[in-house]
Amino acid sequence: AQTVTQSQPEMSVQEAETVTLSCTYDTSENNYYLFWYKQPPSRQMILVIRQEAYKQQNATENRFSVNFQKAAKSFSLKISDSQLGDTAMYFCASYNTGNQFYFGTGTSLTVIP
Amino acid sequence: ETGVTQTPRHLVMGMTNKKSLKCEQHLGHNAMYWYKQSAKKPLELMFVYNFKEQTENNSVPSRFSPECPNSSHLFLHLHTLQPEDSALYLCASGERTGAGYGYTFGSGTRLTVV
Repeated sequence: AQTVTQSQPEMSVQEAETVTLSCTYDTSENNYYLFWYKQPPSRQMILVIRQEAYKQQNATENRFSVNFQKAAKSFSLKISDSQLGDTAMYFCASYNTGNQFYFGTGTSLTVIP
Repeated sequence: ETGVTQTPRHLVMGMTNKKSLKCEQHLGHNAMYWYKQSAKKPLELMFVYNFKEQTENNSVPSRFSPECPNSSHLFLHLHTLQPEDSALYLCASGERTGAGYGYTFGSGTRLTVV
C-alpha cells in the first residue's frame, strides 16, 4: 500500500505572502499521479493541481505551483499571493493507474488578514 | 454546482436507527466512491462502484450497506451504527479509466451517532 505524509497539521500565512505545504509519499510504482485537494469550510473537496509523475516539469495553476522531486518522493504545494479564500484544509494524494487514491492527513491553512 | 450532490448535509441518528445517505452525479462518470473522513486521519475508502457493480469493499462493517441502482446514484444505508462511526461521509465520482484526472467530490454528510 502507498502512504502519503503531510507533516504540517496546521500552518498560517499573512495575506499576500507565500506559503509552502509539504507532502511526501511512498510508492513502488513508476506510473502515478499526484494531487493537491482543497477542502474549505463548505466541505467540498476541490482539485487544486495535479502532477503526472512521468513529467519532470512542475505543474502550475495560477497562484498555485508544485515542487515535484521524484527521487525524493516529495510533492510540495506553493501558494503565492495568499488570499483569505485560500483558508482551508489541504490534502495531498497519490494515485496509481488502476488502483486507488491515497490521501494524507491534511494541513489546515489559515490566511491572516 | 459541483456536479456531485449529497443529501442530507447533516444527520444525527441513534444507534438503533436506520437511515440512508444519498449521492447523485450528473457528470457522466462511470465510477462512484464512498469515503469516510475522520479528524486527523487520511480519507478512508469504503466502497467503489464501476458501472453499477461493486468492485471494492475495504473491509467495511456490515452495518454500512451500499447500493448503486444506476451509474448516477449511490446510496449508503446505515443501521445499528456505533458512536465511532460519527464522521464526514464523502461521495466522489470519476472516470474509471481516467482517474488520473482526479475525482469530483460532493460536500459530504456530517453524521453524528448518539
